[in-house]
Amino acid sequence: AQSVTQLDSHVSVSEGTPVLLRCNYSSSYSPSLFWYVQHPNKGLQLLLKYTSAATLVKGINGFEAEFKKSETSFHLTKPSAHMSDAAEYFCVVSDLDSNYQLIWGAGTKLIIKP
Amino acid sequence: EAGVAQSPRYKIIEKRQSVAFWCNPISGHATLYWYQQILGQGPKLLIQFQNNGVVDDSQLPKDRFSAERLKGVDSTLKIQPAKLEDSAVYLCASSLGTQSEGLYEQFFGPGTRLTVL
Repeated sequence: AQSVTQLDSHVSVSEGTPVLLRCNYSSSYSPSLFWYVQHPNKGLQLLLKYTSAATLVKGINGFEAEFKKSETSFHLTKPSAHMSDAAEYFCVVSDLDSNYQLIWGAGTKLIIKP
Repeated sequence: EAGVAQSPRYKIIEKRQSVAFWCNPISGHATLYWYQQILGQGPKLLIQFQNNGVVDDSQLPKDRFSAERLKGVDSTLKIQPAKLEDSAVYLCASSLGTQSEGLYEQFFGPGTRLTVL
């Protein structure tokens, strides 16, 4: 069965420093992988998605993620954090096993220190 | 383009009371989803509609939860009677088609925060 593990419940970085949010997944098939962001009192927004094309995926707001099949990872990165990046981030997997339903990680709260 | 609309944004009720949530998806989106998001967890799918038919309701607690999507547009989710463990944010999302059709992106509304006392 598919599952998603977000390795950190909270990540704290200083403004202007790199961001790394870690995600590991399990899937029996070729998965699709997503990162969603949830700002306080706002709806979830898709940051980026991997659907078996290029393994390095670029998203909105300067975020990118790399699909590494050998490591079953899909970590989210950004070179330089901005205060507006403070939010909850969710890693999501979808494949034939789940009938293409979205399987969500527990989330990582990103805290940006001034 | 207008996004997914949900109301109310907040609701506080006593246990054993009833409550209903409303969702208006993005115009033209055939697929509508209701999720439950408990604090500290990712969203859990409750029910998925394709137009006005149910595609998946395997995780919907049918003894107390019900949902409908009349005319294939707006949808309501009802809880009757509510329990303390129903306290959560209820998210509505819509997409042009289903995941299996390759039309992946789900657009989410702001959610309804339910507190059951």
